[in-house]
Amino acid sequence: GAGVSQSPSNKVTEKGKDVELRCDPISGHTALYWYRQSLGQGLEFLIYFQGNSAPDKSGLPSDRFSAERTGGSVSTLTIQRTQQEDSAVYLCASSPRGRGYQETQYFGPGTRLLVL
Amino acid sequence: DAKTTQPPSMDCAEGRAANLPCNHSTISGNEYVYWYRQIHSQGPQYIIHGLKNNETNEMASLIITEDRKSSTLILPHATLRDTAVYYCIVRVPRNQFYFGTGTSLTVIP
Repeated sequence: GAGVSQSPSNKVTEKGKDVELRCDPISGHTALYWYRQSLGQGLEFLIYFQGNSAPDKSGLPSDRFSAERTGGSVSTLTIQRTQQEDSAVYLCASSPRGRGYQETQYFGPGTRLLVL
Repeated sequence: DAKTTQPPSMDCAEGRAANLPCNHSTISGNEYVYWYRQIHSQGPQYIIHGLKNNETNEMASLIITEDRKSSTLILPHATLRDTAVYYCIVRVPRNQFYFGTGTSLTVIP
């Protein structure tokens, strides 16, 4: 079946511009997660969705970062006024049930963001 | 936070078994051990997970010590396509997967 998909696969933007990153989770998965991975680093958790609500936003690095999820499916991560330190790979993952369950998360291919 | 210790890098000859160790001495009784891998420029790929018993699937085997303080991921017949960074994860608080820097496995022809 279809896995997690993300778009765009690559994004180059100028400092100060806003960007939107999209994630399509596996159909039927309740939980959705955003992470980012800087060059040579491990994954950094950003935000977790259970359905359309985000009970855990603790990883968002600043108020320039926001995310929403609609229809219990597609999610958009928005970065306003991008800075060069925002350059990273942004990964989305989904899992069937989410909070309270230790379950496998399935990752998308990521969006590579470069801020010039 | 997830606390695992993995060697930063390993080599393995093609066709041989690759044994990737992970220490997780602070693991709690109800925490699973997960293994993922990340091939260059791709998202992390789930490999296997387990709690107490050894597990095997089409990709790999997971051997967990009786005290659960360490585990070994075994790729029985490594191929060049298994070259990747392998992550051992043992703590999933609030559904966050903490990936460290993992083990960079290079399969040598």
